[in-house]
Amino acid sequence: ETGVTQTPRHLVMGMTNKKSLKCEQHLGHNAMYWYKQSAKKPLELMFVYSLEERVENNSVPSRFSPECPNSSHLFLHLHTLQPEDSALYLCASSQEPTGGRTDTQYFGPGTRLTVL
Amino acid sequence: GQNIDQPTEMTATEGAIVQINCTYQTSGFNGLFWYQQHAGEAPTFLSYNVLDGLEEKGRFSSFLSRSKGYSYLLLKELQMKDSASYLCAVRDGDYKLSFGAGTTVTVRA
Repeated sequence: ETGVTQTPRHLVMGMTNKKSLKCEQHLGHNAMYWYKQSAKKPLELMFVYSLEERVENNSVPSRFSPECPNSSHLFLHLHTLQPEDSALYLCASSQEPTGGRTDTQYFGPGTRLTVL
Repeated sequence: GQNIDQPTEMTATEGAIVQINCTYQTSGFNGLFWYQQHAGEAPTFLSYNVLDGLEEKGRFSSFLSRSKGYSYLLLKELQMKDSASYLCAVRDGDYKLSFGAGTTVTVRA
């Protein structure tokens, strides 16, 4: 596998369910990101991890819980979500957050989440 | 807060040229990115500008004017496969990207 992969690609869950989204990057990068993309809205940055340490938590509700066990894997644990949380959740990675062209973010295909 | 503006939709004919404008007002500036996103797929990196001027890469070019808070993405010799959403994003610090809502380009035969 190359690039950034995400599983599952589609997820339907009830408001009382617990589920997890998985992201894996095969680019040797040190920084990983979670974004939320809602229809007709800009991508919203949710979390940033650099060298497995969380460096940004963008006022995200606690029903979203990220986990970064190593620099290649990133999870987003979901619990008691609301219907308005339905969106495309995108993972991205970059070499390291130091700026410059080398810090281009590369995205995975996303998980389309529907909360009933 | 950050403000990134780009048109919602544009339509052009195959073989033509389309220019997608992006204006921004951000607390800092450390580069501007353009991404292409086909429906249901990942955004893919197209271009990066940090200095004023034009960056050309094949059929795609991107321009930046920092003093005007303005960029454009120029798509030449349009092909049907260029139908997609184009995202303008500004990096205002070390790593944080602020995105516009995207411009949906439809290429007609």
